[in-house]
Amino acid sequence: EPEVTQTPSHQVTQMGQEVILRCVPISNHLYFYWYRQILGQKVEFLVSFYNNEISEKSEIFDDQFSVERPDGSNFTLKIRSTKLEDSAMYFCASSARLAAHEQFFGPGTRLTVL
Amino acid sequence: GENVEQHPSTLSVQEGDSAVIKCTYSDSASNYFPWYKQELGKGPQLIIDIRSNVGEKKDQRIAVTLNKTAKHFSLHITETQPEDSAVYFCAAMANRDDKIIFGKGTRLHILP
Repeated sequence: EPEVTQTPSHQVTQMGQEVILRCVPISNHLYFYWYRQILGQKVEFLVSFYNNEISEKSEIFDDQFSVERPDGSNFTLKIRSTKLEDSAMYFCASSARLAAHEQFFGPGTRLTVL
Repeated sequence: GENVEQHPSTLSVQEGDSAVIKCTYSDSASNYFPWYKQELGKGPQLIIDIRSNVGEKKDQRIAVTLNKTAKHFSLHITETQPEDSAVYFCAAMANRDDKIIFGKGTRLHILP
């Protein structure tokens, strides 16, 4: 069964450093998402991406964040200058159709900012 | 924007008994309600979903109900088994959006 994959599974970084989280969505999906889950809290939407541009973003997704689909398979989330409060689990998701359709989640990347 | 509330935060049931998790939503435009199961170290996995044009949906031991008037929806797991132990999230989504709004999650423990 096709699945969303994410690398790395765990990333430790120093405050102020840049990190890139990588995702490979399901191959025939066209809509891509990033969510995050701070320990013990809700899963929160960060950004959606379609047709090589951002469709929607939350208040969390400020100028420090960016997303890119550099080739036909990868979808990345970059945090330019990490802060302590960026420590969280980051989930990538993909969907075949827009709106009210199943989103498939990856296993997540645990980001720890020291 | 949409807000999803979920109760209880923790639920312990004896193996073989039923478990019920309840959620409410605030945005009447929401029309898609997925439920996700998250096991330790894994991402949320969709287990069942319901759309606003139906009131109930069942898949083997799992059922969901939706009351659009009251903006309530619930997950029912019957004949619980040890492998049902996990965190369950309810969520809501509107046609105009492409983001899922999650509840805070319910940690379900199945007691032997």
